[in-house]
Amino acid sequence: DTEVTQTPKHLVMGMTNKKSLKCEQHMGHRAMYWYKQKAKKPPELMFVYSYEKLSINESVPSRFSPECPNSSLLNLHLHALQPEDSALYLCASKLRTDLSYEQYFGPGTRLTVT
Amino acid sequence: GESVGLHLPTLSVQEGDNSIINCAYSNSASDYFIWYKQESGKGPQFIIDIRSNMDKRQGQRVTVLLNKTVKHLSLQIAATQPGDSAVYFCAEKAVYNTDKLIFGTGTRLQVFP
Repeated sequence: DTEVTQTPKHLVMGMTNKKSLKCEQHMGHRAMYWYKQKAKKPPELMFVYSYEKLSINESVPSRFSPECPNSSLLNLHLHALQPEDSALYLCASKLRTDLSYEQYFGPGTRLTVT
Repeated sequence: GESVGLHLPTLSVQEGDNSIINCAYSNSASDYFIWYKQESGKGPQFIIDIRSNMDKRQGQRVTVLLNKTVKHLSLQIAATQPGDSAVYFCAEKAVYNTDKLIFGTGTRLQVFP
């Protein structure tokens, strides 16, 4: 298996809802990422997990809560989002060695907050 | 809804021509660079990477050139095809953190027949 998968592909949620995004990889990668991407902009890093531990939080609001249950899975829990949080949410993974920097991206979840 | 925001720089080329997409970086200590292709509605896809101990690296129909003197990176696509139409991002590894990539603003490549 050589890909990163994300579910759901599309999500529409109200500002009072709680939902979760899921990411999975079976490449043995030990670093996993969440990015947010707005239209016509580059991906913007949100969180990094390294060996299932949160290593980077780019000052993301607490309404976004990441979770890494095991080395293959990454979740992003969403609660009380704002319309401006509507974006493409990308998951990525990387082989965790000091010599490997290439990140592999999933197809993304298109989130719309109403 | 979302604001329109700034337009992406766009490169329009005719099918069969060569394309050159440019990228500038700011940190002279950067030692790793990567190019991604992002088609509409998809996640970024790895194209090619290069380390700072190299000036040039070739892949299938793509070449990346690194000019450390002027801190410039370019992606050359030979015999551009309609399937090459996408947004292309360059990224550099953060000097202070090997887990972090710093993305450029992107260039849209449009291929017309």
